[in-house]
Amino acid sequence: LAKTTQPISMDSYEGQEVNITCSHNNIATNDYITWYQQFPSQGPRFIIQGYKTKVTNEVASLFIPADRKSSTLSLPRVSLSDTAVYYCLTAGSARQLTFGSGTQLTVLP
Amino acid sequence: ETGVTQSPTHLIKTRGQQVTLRCSSQSGHNTVSWYQQALGQGPQFIFQYYREEENGRGNFPPRFSGLQFPNYSSELNVNALELDDSALYLCASSAGTGQENIQYFGAGTRLSVL
Repeated sequence: LAKTTQPISMDSYEGQEVNITCSHNNIATNDYITWYQQFPSQGPRFIIQGYKTKVTNEVASLFIPADRKSSTLSLPRVSLSDTAVYYCLTAGSARQLTFGSGTQLTVLP
Repeated sequence: ETGVTQSPTHLIKTRGQQVTLRCSSQSGHNTVSWYQQALGQGPQFIFQYYREEENGRGNFPPRFSGLQFPNYSSELNVNALELDDSALYLCASSAGTGQENIQYFGAGTRLSVL
């Protein structure tokens, strides 16, 4: 399973766009890139998943360059309720998700 | 809401006891995975069940065991509890084991071992 590297923490202000970049230099050809959000004492919540180029849903966008060695989660116009830990994962199958330490995003008023 | 429910929400046990945690998967999902999350860390994969068979296991001792039922609900059993077993236990269900299948998590069971 590919190892991912992401910033330990980030601060932002309400209404700003937040971009969290994840490095996955050893991603395998068949691996997908998945992002989860987790609030304290709750289960991780699926945000977005992609394989290449750009994916957009109602809450976020995921940008994946051609070499797929990194990806960027973009959260438009964050609010205080977006304060959470964000995990970037790569997985060659749905058998085993390997979570790192994640990025603690703090949104300030 | 993911449709994945776990019970109980909280549990207190003493060292050496046994515990059973339960998980109901989302409708239409045949795969259940279990994770252990210690305080301040990311979830760690314990094992996965697909159509009532174990389909992969992480680096956990045999005293962690599981079961999946015909309705695809699942149990996690932990024997001979140790203090380090104190954690949030998470269950996730998915529609299969393929790479494209997203795992949806329940709210977890908080286990405290005294």
